[in-house]
Amino acid sequence: DIQMTQSPSSLSASVGDRVTITCRASQTISKYLNWYQQKPGKAPKLLIYGASRLQSGIPSRFSGSGSGTDFTLTINNLQPEDFATYHCQQSYSSRYSFGQGTRLEIK
Amino acid sequence: QVQLQESGPGLVKPSQTLSLTCTVSGGSISSGSHYWNWIRQPAGKGLEWIGRIHPIGTTKYNPSLQSRVTIGMDTAKNQFALRLSSVTAADTAVYYCAGGRDSGDYDWFDPWGQGSLVTVSS
Repeated sequence: DIQMTQSPSSLSASVGDRVTITCRASQTISKYLNWYQQKPGKAPKLLIYGASRLQSGIPSRFSGSGSGTDFTLTINNLQPEDFATYHCQQSYSSRYSFGQGTRLEIK
Repeated sequence: QVQLQESGPGLVKPSQTLSLTCTVSGGSISSGSHYWNWIRQPAGKGLEWIGRIHPIGTTKYNPSLQSRVTIGMDTAKNQFALRLSSVTAADTAVYYCAGGRDSGDYDWFDPWGQGSLVTVSS
């Protein structure tokens, strides 16, 4: 099975900051990598699919990059509504797997 | 716009079978626009994919749960269902149903249901 590891597990940032979250796969997954945002008590919400493709309706301050085993989610100009937990997920193997999540908190 | 809603008991006794249903609205479960997944999340932990069913009825499960999981569809009711047998406290989690989309190149989970908390306790 493909293991997904996110770093950091948590981070603190301020409104207006730029933050980067990393996701590493245990084997190459090409660009089969998705990012989700989850707020407390809510279901995850798709942000990015195919490593860098922005889901419709998602603000352009969110971007994704990477291929192979290393991927990043970048959020520019953090807004108050961006403080949440972010999950990566691989779809290279149909035995899908997620990272453990990165909690983004207000500094 | 497709929407999903989970339903089922919130409390299950150890060794019994957990059963949840996901009702799909805004589209036909058999249209082929989505395949249908169950995903769970223990409190304070990450997401774990449980399994999926394709509109033609084929299934695929997480190997770690395969011996205990069954996912089925009821096209007349536009629902799909999860059964997880021989549950223990480790199966306590919020269970989500989610539509899987496939662009031909990539696939992802969207939309999601709101989630259903299932507690395993005597």
